[in-house]
Amino acid sequence: GQNIDQPTEMTATEGAIVQINCTYQTSGFNGLFWYQQHAGEAPTFLSYNVLDGLEEKGRFSSFLSRSKGYSYLLLKELQMKDSASYLCAVRDGDYKLSFGAGTTVTVRA
Amino acid sequence: IAGITQAPTSQILAAGRRMTLRCTQDMRHNAMYWYRQDLGLGLRLIHYSNTAGTTGKGEVPDGYSVSRANTDDFPLTLASAVPSQTSVYFCASSPGTGGGEQYFGPGTRLTVT
Repeated sequence: GQNIDQPTEMTATEGAIVQINCTYQTSGFNGLFWYQQHAGEAPTFLSYNVLDGLEEKGRFSSFLSRSKGYSYLLLKELQMKDSASYLCAVRDGDYKLSFGAGTTVTVRA
Repeated sequence: IAGITQAPTSQILAAGRRMTLRCTQDMRHNAMYWYRQDLGLGLRLIHYSNTAGTTGKGEVPDGYSVSRANTDDFPLTLASAVPSQTSVYFCASSPGTGGGEQYFGPGTRLTVT
């Protein structure tokens, strides 16, 4: 099985930056995904990392260190619409996804 | 149809009843998945199918069964529902097992009383 840990909740101010950390222990590794999920809706894909380093996509960036079993999602210039849950997911050696419990981010004006 | 659809949107079901949750995708994706999402536990994989005609067990398969007769449809059946199966169920698909992100359907909110 997999062990994926991320903080339960984070709060930040509109326009600020927030970093959501994710640590994992897996049997095999075939990539790490970040999903965004607004309350009552389906998860939607944000980013994918399979090699070490930073992937930037607009206001969102994701970092991976395979040797440390560590990733983070960086949200810049926070907007009210960024209030959501952010899910870290690891694809294992059998190509199945295991999800963390999610981090609820609340953006305050 | 665009993407993945699930039916019903929500359902209240008496314990002991049989229920099938429907999932259809029109993206011609090979792989399909069923997850349940419970507060504090995140998404957990119930069953999956890498291609039409094959299925496999995920992390929490007990009490559930699936079939994959064709590429588009992947129904999930609860043979005899129990209250612990109260959850939000998401169907997802991906182009293949080795590549691409998973796309999720809108979910089915199931309450077993």
